[in-house]
Amino acid sequence: GESVGLHLPTLSVQEGDNSIINCAYSNSASDYFIWYKQESGKGPQFIIDIRSNMDKRQGQRVTVLLNKTVKHLSLQIAATQPGDSAVYFCAENRGSNYQLIWGAGTKLIIKP
Amino acid sequence: KAGVTQTPRYLIKTRGQQVTLSCSPISGHRSVSWYQQTPGQGLQFLFEYFSETQRNKGNFPGRFSGRQFSNSRSEMNVSTLELGDSALYLCASSEGGGNQPQHFGDGTRLSIL
Repeated sequence: GESVGLHLPTLSVQEGDNSIINCAYSNSASDYFIWYKQESGKGPQFIIDIRSNMDKRQGQRVTVLLNKTVKHLSLQIAATQPGDSAVYFCAENRGSNYQLIWGAGTKLIIKP
Repeated sequence: KAGVTQTPRYLIKTRGQQVTLSCSPISGHRSVSWYQQTPGQGLQFLFEYFSETQRNKGNFPGRFSGRQFSNSRSEMNVSTLELGDSALYLCASSEGGGNQPQHFGDGTRLSIL
């Protein structure tokens, strides 16, 4: 089927540790992937994206890894801070299709 | 540069009424997409517009419609409201759609009584 799924609905991480949020996708034709952060009462905020011709992309404190062999995407957040508490979504797009397919979301909880 | 602006932020309607939501995209962005977000279904794609043309449509009934104006501003309309239409409606804009980041507004929270 066509879906983007998340392995864990909730992830608790100690402040200062690294966080890893995982996402699986099923359509090998997907060529663009994107991560969003959504805080309570706000719309999703763009974090980082990656195209299928790349395996890794880094931003400020975040890294996205793409494994096309197993259709797996991950978001790594370094030195997690309280402000990182949010729901994180992965989404995919397939070429000329002007529609993002969204995962269910992972809630990241930061423990003090 | 101002972000995506959605109005109103909150709206309360009763069953059978109709509603129009508005979205002003980031300046220079020509693609506008609409999503419905509910706790049970996550983000569901409604439709996407580019240069006043609908390029893609999700699996929603015909009660849900939209349009885009020449200045890229967009509206969506829901007619004959049902209780299940209660949701957060999100608008996102991008330069051209497709493989480009979409930038979201904070949504319109629609409650149906």
